[in-house]
Amino acid sequence: GENVEQHPSTLSVQEGDSAVIKCTYSDSASNYFPWYKQELGKRPQLIIDIRSNVGEKKDQRIAVTLNKTAKHFSLHITETQPEDSAVYFCAPEGGSNYKLTFGKGTLLTVNP
Amino acid sequence: DTEVTQTPKHLVMGMTNKKSLKCEQHMGHRAMYWYKQKAKKPPELMFVYSYEKLSINESVPSRFSPECPNSSLLNLHLHALQPEDSALYLCASSHTQTTRGYTFGSGTRLTVV
Repeated sequence: GENVEQHPSTLSVQEGDSAVIKCTYSDSASNYFPWYKQELGKRPQLIIDIRSNVGEKKDQRIAVTLNKTAKHFSLHITETQPEDSAVYFCAPEGGSNYKLTFGKGTLLTVNP
Repeated sequence: DTEVTQTPKHLVMGMTNKKSLKCEQHMGHRAMYWYKQKAKKPPELMFVYSYEKLSINESVPSRFSPECPNSSLLNLHLHALQPEDSALYLCASSHTQTTRGYTFGSGTRLTVV
């Protein structure tokens, strides 16, 4: 099965700073790489995703970069705001079984 | 309608009880999923239904029994659960099993006493 590692496990930044979370995976056949945001007591929500034929994707303050050779992808949040505080999960999709394997999560705290 | 609706939101049950969790979506999605999430942990896949047929069972104990009566509904029948089964149970759906982008429901917080 897919082995997924996510770092860091916690991240504290000042409002306005940037935040970067990294995810490494093991399945070289993986070709879909989403990031989910889960606020306390709420459902996971897809915030951005990327497919293997693209190196970078941006949506306003959020971007995802993919390095397929090194088997890692990263979430970048710029100009962080307190409402960005949440747990973020990477969840690469297995190449053969289409299953999402969630990383252990990163607790992001944005301090006003 | 762009939501996945789960009922009940909270459930407390004894170890000898039988209860069911319900999940409903009207987005025309043909893949539906059950996940279990313990506190401060990532969601863990339990079952996948694709076109109303069980596609993946992640070696889940038989005290959890899924059912997909039609393309809009997904149930999870619970029987003889253990306290360690207490968790948030999340339902999700996607267009198909190979289509990316899940929509999650708000979950049922289950407590087994």
